[in-house]
Amino acid sequence: GNSVTQMEGPVTLSEEAFLTINCTYTATGYPSLFWYVQYPGEGLQLLLKATKADDKGSNKGFEATYRKETTSFHLEKGSVQVSDSAVYFCALSNDYKLSFGAGTTVTVRA
Amino acid sequence: EAQVTQNPRYLITVTGKKLTVTCSQNMNHEYMSWYRQDPGLGLRQIYYSMNVEVTDKGDVPEGYKVSRKEKRNFPLILESPSPNQTSLYFCASSLAGSNQPQHFGDGTRLSIL
Repeated sequence: GNSVTQMEGPVTLSEEAFLTINCTYTATGYPSLFWYVQYPGEGLQLLLKATKADDKGSNKGFEATYRKETTSFHLEKGSVQVSDSAVYFCALSNDYKLSFGAGTTVTVRA
Repeated sequence: EAQVTQNPRYLITVTGKKLTVTCSQNMNHEYMSWYRQDPGLGLRQIYYSMNVEVTDKGDVPEGYKVSRKEKRNFPLILESPSPNQTSLYFCASSLAGSNQPQHFGDGTRLSIL
C-alpha cells in the first residue's frame, strides 16, 4: 500500500534560518506528491506539488524535488519568517487514494 | 468565492446518536473525500467519491457512511457514533485526476461522549 513518512517535530527556528522537512514515501506506480500547510483553526492549503520524477515544485520561497530514486520529497526554504509558523504535511496521491504524513509543526521565532 | 463548506464546525454529542456532517463545494469538482485528523497520525482518508453515485473506501471507513447523490454535496454519516470517532474531520474536493490538489474545508470538530 501507500505510505508517507515525514520528519517529526516540533521544529523551532529563528527568523531567516534554513528549513528542511524530510519526507519519504512508499507507493506502487507513479504517485503525485504534495506539500500542504495548515494554519491554526484552518483547513489544509496546497503549498506545492510535483507530478513526476525530477519535477521541482515551488511556491512562496519553498521548494521540493520529486526524487524517485530515493523515494523522497523533502521541503526546503532558505530563509523562514514568523508567518511560516504552521503545520506542514507531505502527501501522495495514487489512483485517487491519498496518504498523508503525520505532520511537522514549525515555529519560527522573531 | 471558491470554497468547500462543512457544517457543523463543532459538535458534541453522545454515543449512538446518529449524526450527519454536510459538505458542499461550489467548484464543480468531480472528486470529493473525507478525512479524519488525529494527533500524531496526520490525515487518514475515510471515503472518497470520483463522481456522482461513485464512492469507495479509504483507509479507515469502519463506522462511517457516505453518499454522493449530487455533484456538489458529499455528506458523512455516523449511524451509531462511538467515542473513538472523536476527531477533527475534513472534507476536500478536486478536479478529476490523481495529480490534482485537494481543496479543503475548515474542518468539523466532533466530540462523542
